[in-house]
Amino acid sequence: NAGVTQTPKFRVLKTGQSMTLLCAQDMNHEYMYWYRQDPGMGLRLIHYSVGEGTTAKGEVPDGYNVSRLKKQNFLLGLESAAPSQTSVYFCASKLSWGGQFFGPGTRLTVL
Amino acid sequence: TQLLEQSPQFLSIQEGENLTVYCNSSSVFSSLQWYRQEPGEGPVLLVTVVTGGEVKKLKRLTFQFGDARKDSSLHITAAQPGDTGLYLCAGPGGATNKLIFGTGTLLAVQP
Repeated sequence: NAGVTQTPKFRVLKTGQSMTLLCAQDMNHEYMYWYRQDPGMGLRLIHYSVGEGTTAKGEVPDGYNVSRLKKQNFLLGLESAAPSQTSVYFCASKLSWGGQFFGPGTRLTVL
Repeated sequence: TQLLEQSPQFLSIQEGENLTVYCNSSSVFSSLQWYRQEPGEGPVLLVTVVTGGEVKKLKRLTFQFGDARKDSSLHITAAQPGDTGLYLCAGPGGATNKLIFGTGTLLAVQP
């Protein structure tokens, strides 16, 4: 089991560029989440999904879109990157019970 | 709005010392989880406490859930450099299995 994997691990973008972060889990989990982690701000929920084909907004959804076309994958898109989106992005997944399993993170810098 | 406040924010101690980290809220939580995040990695679930007054032990780590289910503590006995990391508490944030994370306690254990 690979658990939760994220690609890419690092990325540098210029303001206005777009990109997609991929999260994959091989644990057959229903729930998947995207967080951003900034110094002093803890983990903040961007978007989440309670199952294949469903998505919902979290605490800080502006500037991001998501898709969950397959149960094992959860994609996070930035259509027009801004410096304020410089952060570390974590994906997580879980069953209906128990804790969340996190990926290793994607470090994104927007210049 | 449910909030989880952790204290202290930072803690630097020598190997062999004991320490306690606190997680407090004005809201009642049905359960609380503790995660540890090592540098460059995603958070990893340590424990879930679900009953008021519950105490759980994980080797040198002791977790307690307050009687009123509004607070929790993590006590580490004889800290080791391998305990270094960011400790996060988290609780259910309403429906759909969302989590609210505390701001974290950054622990550094010096050899």
